[in-house]
Amino acid sequence: DTGVSQDPRHKITKRGQNVTFRCDPISEHNRLYWYRQTLGQGPEFLTYFQNEAQLEKSRLLSDRFSAERPKGSFSTLEIQRTEQGDSAMYLCASSSDLAGAFNEQFFGPGTRLTVL
Amino acid sequence: GQSLEQPSEVTAVEGAIVQINCTYQTSGFYGLSWYQQHDGGAPTFLSYNALDGLEETGRFSSFLSRSDSYGYLLLQELQMKDSASYFCAVRSHTYSSASKIIFGSGTRLSIRP
Repeated sequence: DTGVSQDPRHKITKRGQNVTFRCDPISEHNRLYWYRQTLGQGPEFLTYFQNEAQLEKSRLLSDRFSAERPKGSFSTLEIQRTEQGDSAMYLCASSSDLAGAFNEQFFGPGTRLTVL
Repeated sequence: GQSLEQPSEVTAVEGAIVQINCTYQTSGFYGLSWYQQHDGGAPTFLSYNALDGLEETGRFSSFLSRSDSYGYLLLQELQMKDSASYFCAVRSHTYSSASKIIFGSGTRLSIRP
């Protein structure tokens, strides 16, 4: 399967714990995005990488959130000191850099986080 | 700021045509996208409009009017499998941010037999 993959698919944690999610984009895609989605809402932009460079981070994102893409391939999203309000589906998407193609984002299945 | 408005719910009959509208407010507008998301699934790309006019892809068409900050998704010959949420999304770029995509809250489309 050459689509976007995310791991884990589900994560249940206690408030105050740290969690880390992984995203493997489509191999030839340079652009990688993280979103958060709650029930009945659209995906909320969190951050964006072009290769290994983090070019944009939402101002809504607290300092408890950090993302990396060290080699320009897979990416990790870490949430420190989780809060119940962090419970959501975390989606990763990737897209090509090619003209006309970078507007089409391919989404992974998401990681559903539940903070107790 | 940036915002998108679309109806929260639309109901239509199988075989009919439905239009889902989207109005947006953003700076550094590049284009408007549409995504479909079935319950429990990931969003999937449907279309992208950068220029004014209608783009047709099979049963789905998407329209953009940059001067009106408005677009719509048109679904024809509705099938039960089209029951899903539909999101419009704008790509924007400002002096303080790199290109990013902002999604609307979604329109839940329900198809009746």
